[in-house]
Amino acid sequence: SYELTQPPSMSVSPGQTASITCSGDKVGTKDVSWYQQKPGQSPVLVIYQRSTRPSGIPGRFSGSTSGNTATLTISGTQAMDEADYYCQAWYSSTVVFGGGTKLTV
Amino acid sequence: QVQLVQSGAEVRKPGASVKVSCKTSGYIFTGHYIHWLRQAPGQGLEWMGWVNSNTGGTNYAQRFQDRVTMTRDTSTSTAYMELNRLRYDDSAVYYCARYGGNSEFDHWGQGTLVTVSS
Repeated sequence: SYELTQPPSMSVSPGQTASITCSGDKVGTKDVSWYQQKPGQSPVLVIYQRSTRPSGIPGRFSGSTSGNTATLTISGTQAMDEADYYCQAWYSSTVVFGGGTKLTV
Repeated sequence: QVQLVQSGAEVRKPGASVKVSCKTSGYIFTGHYIHWLRQAPGQGLEWMGWVNSNTGGTNYAQRFQDRVTMTRDTSTSTAYMELNRLRYDDSAVYYCARYGGNSEFDHWGQGTLVTVSS
């Protein structure tokens, strides 16, 4: 089975840049999506196709991939960005999620 | 606007079945697959499978293959997920999500809490 690996947690000061990684086999060749989930809420799509922001998502969210790693970057992190973040990709007709990263601001 | 509204919380005994609904609006129902996912308490997201809203075709994650059935009703723009032979570790929030077509889930339901308890 395929796995996507994320750091369980990370902490960033307000105004700083948070970079959340997602590693897995050939992730750099896949259309990786990222979701933000706040406590008690449904996940919200923040990045798809590696680097595309849906309408309504602030410009401080960006995505990139390289080799076996995808990265979600939040520039100028705000308190409202404190949440769990999940990466997601398709492997052989199966959807795989990373284990999630709890971002503390 | 696109909306996915799920049915309410359920409590079931081990071995029973549960059926969760996902009523959609704000878009052409048959134009997007509906996927089902779940999240156990304090855990991450787990994908269960999808239903083709147009044809009714399905694809299930291997671990749910023999216990889950996903259907849809085009007349009411509603998708359904039924999970059988429930176990204690099936207790989770179950989500439906619209597949955007570029590998992503662009809209999610509010979630349905299913509790398996004797």
